[in-house]
Amino acid sequence: KQEVTQIPAALSVPEGENLVLNCSFTDSAIYNLQWFRQDPGKGLTSLLLIQSSQREQTSGRLNASLDKSSGRSTLYIAASQPGDSATYLCAVVFSGGYNKLIFGAGTRLAVHP
Amino acid sequence: EAQVTQNPRYLITVTGKKLTVTCSQNMNHEYMSWYRQDPGLGLRQIYYSMNVEVTDKGDVPEGYKVSRKEKRNFPLILESPSPNQTSLYFCASSWRYNEKLFFGSGTQLSVL
Repeated sequence: KQEVTQIPAALSVPEGENLVLNCSFTDSAIYNLQWFRQDPGKGLTSLLLIQSSQREQTSGRLNASLDKSSGRSTLYIAASQPGDSATYLCAVVFSGGYNKLIFGAGTRLAVHP
Repeated sequence: EAQVTQNPRYLITVTGKKLTVTCSQNMNHEYMSWYRQDPGLGLRQIYYSMNVEVTDKGDVPEGYKVSRKEKRNFPLILESPSPNQTSLYFCASSWRYNEKLFFGSGTQLSVL
């Protein structure tokens, strides 16, 4: 079964820390992997999209890496700020079901001043 | 402004009363999809559409219908809602299936 797992489920850090969120997936045959941010009561905002041929993507303080062989992706947030507090989800399009997006359960991040 | 618009934002209904949640995008996207989000179960795909008149089931299609008669609209229809369909629903769209997804703000549905 194709699954996406995110660890940890929750994370609390002081402002200014660099942090890493983890995402693992069960099948290395993927089309792409996407990281999203969800604020309470709101929709999802796509942060970074990594195609299967890419190793990483960067946007501002965010960097996402992809290692298909090990079935892992990491989202690196540099110099965290209270405004980064949100739930971060990763989602994978597996090659077998190219039009299906499988989501992880998310990591709830709290950055305190 | 490029956006995905869902309506209504909140909906309370009773078992068996047909309802439609509308979804519209103004980005000329080909791919559109519906998800439900439940505590402990995360986001699960209900239906998706690769283009006009092309729709297919996701992981949890039972009890739902969709149609894609126009590129911009992708309504979600619950013919006979039941309490287990109480959930937070999201519509999303992208240029193609493997491109960045844009989400609507969500519809909180309660079926009594």
